[in-house]
Amino acid sequence: EAGVAQSPRYKIIEKRQSVAFWCNPISGHATLYWYQQILGQGPKLLIQFQNNGVVDDSQLPKDRFSAERLKGVDSTLKIQPAKLEDSAVYLCASSFQGKNIQYFGAGTRLSVL
Amino acid sequence: SQELEQSPQSLIVQEGKNLTINCTSSKTLYGLYWYKQKYGEGLIFLMMLQKGGEEKSHEKITAKLDEKKQQSSLHITASQPSHAGIYLCGASSNFGNEKLTFGTGTRLTIIP
Repeated sequence: EAGVAQSPRYKIIEKRQSVAFWCNPISGHATLYWYQQILGQGPKLLIQFQNNGVVDDSQLPKDRFSAERLKGVDSTLKIQPAKLEDSAVYLCASSFQGKNIQYFGAGTRLSVL
Repeated sequence: SQELEQSPQSLIVQEGKNLTINCTSSKTLYGLYWYKQKYGEGLIFLMMLQKGGEEKSHEKITAKLDEKKQQSSLHITASQPSHAGIYLCGASSNFGNEKLTFGTGTRLTIIP
C-alpha cells in the first residue's frame, strides 16, 4: 500500500515570494491534515479536511495561507506571501474516516530567506 | 487548549540499556498516540492507547496509559541504534475528535 506522498521535499524561497505544496493521501482515506513543524517543536495542525470540506482551520493564518482539496483526494497548501517565520517542515497526514490513526508523509522542508 | 509536556527533552543512552520517555497532558486524555520521527522525515506511527491502564508492546517498545495521572510512558528495552530519533506523543482533546495536539518531542541518541 502506497503511503502519503508529498512534493517537493525541499523548497528555498525569498520572503514575500509564493510557494505551494502538494499532498496525495493514502487511497481511501477521507480525512487529510496539514501540519506545520517548526524546528524543535511538535507538529501544529493548520487545517483538516473531511473529503473536500474543511473541518478545522482555526490555526491557519488565513491572511497568507490557503489550502484546497477540490476533488476530495489530493490537496495543495499555499503560502502567499511568505515570511521568514514560515520556515518549517510542512507535513501532510491522512486517516481513514472514523479511525484516528494518522499516517504522515515525509514532509516538505521550507526555508524562507 | 490541551498541552503535552514530554520529558526528558533529550536522552543519550548506551546501546543495550533500557530507557523511559514520559508524556503528561494538561487535560483529560481521550486517546494517546506515540510517533517516531527521524531527521528530515515524516512521523512513523508506533502505538495508540485509548483506555486507562492500557499497555501495548511492539518489538522492544512498550507504551502505557495512566488516565488518572493524564500521563503516558514509552519504555524501550535493550536499546539499539535503530531506536534513535525523536519520539513524539500526540493526544485527542475530545472523544472521537481526530484533531491531535503534539508534544515537543524527546530526542533519543544511542551510543555504541
